[in-house]
Amino acid sequence: DTAVSQTPKYLVTQMGNDKSIKCEQNLGHDTMYWYKQDSKKFLKIMFSYNNKELIINETVPNRFSPKSPDKAHLNLHINSLELGDSAVYFCASSLQGYRTDTQYFGPGTRLTVL
Amino acid sequence: AQSVTQLDSQVPVFEEAPVELRCNYSSSVSVYLFWYVQYPNQGLQLLLKYLSGSTLVKGINGFEAEFNKSQTSFHLRKPSVHISDTAEYFCAVSERGGGSNYKLTFGKGTLLTVNP
Repeated sequence: DTAVSQTPKYLVTQMGNDKSIKCEQNLGHDTMYWYKQDSKKFLKIMFSYNNKELIINETVPNRFSPKSPDKAHLNLHINSLELGDSAVYFCASSLQGYRTDTQYFGPGTRLTVL
Repeated sequence: AQSVTQLDSQVPVFEEAPVELRCNYSSSVSVYLFWYVQYPNQGLQLLLKYLSGSTLVKGINGFEAEFNKSQTSFHLRKPSVHISDTAEYFCAVSERGGGSNYKLTFGKGTLLTVNP
């Protein structure tokens, strides 16, 4: 059983398109995250949700819109894709978003914008 | 904001040699530190974490790290590496992100390459 799963694993699309990435966790955690890993492997948080409520919203363009229909799911919708959006996007979850919590990561979605 | 610095972007070693991956943190207040590993084309997996208590932390796959407050360091070590340890290693600090939620702030990663 995969703890944190993401779909799709690969996404290739043209500039200007709109795309979504889905994430699901079966760990019973309250908190979920989206991270972006750039081509140099640098990881940076984008968003965090706690029990369907947006808690952390870093300086991310408003073309990126996360949605959490329930606490087990966190989706990421991206409008008007740009070349610079090409990256690997990781979903993660933790028990309650506390300082000491371990975050569990999904396998990642590699987005390529042409 | 807190930060971590990984001093080496790449560390090549031979199989069965010892290895140390270096990480320094910035905060002067209490810190919670993590080491994660990312195998090729996979997500991140926790190796170990320091929360409090003993400064020597043991993790999975034979890795350990030592928290050193005076040197603001949290270096990762393994006495004898295997080919399968080839991966990207990330040091991270937990810091407040919003409300009572915390986020991980990562270092830039160290690519460990184990050669036969």
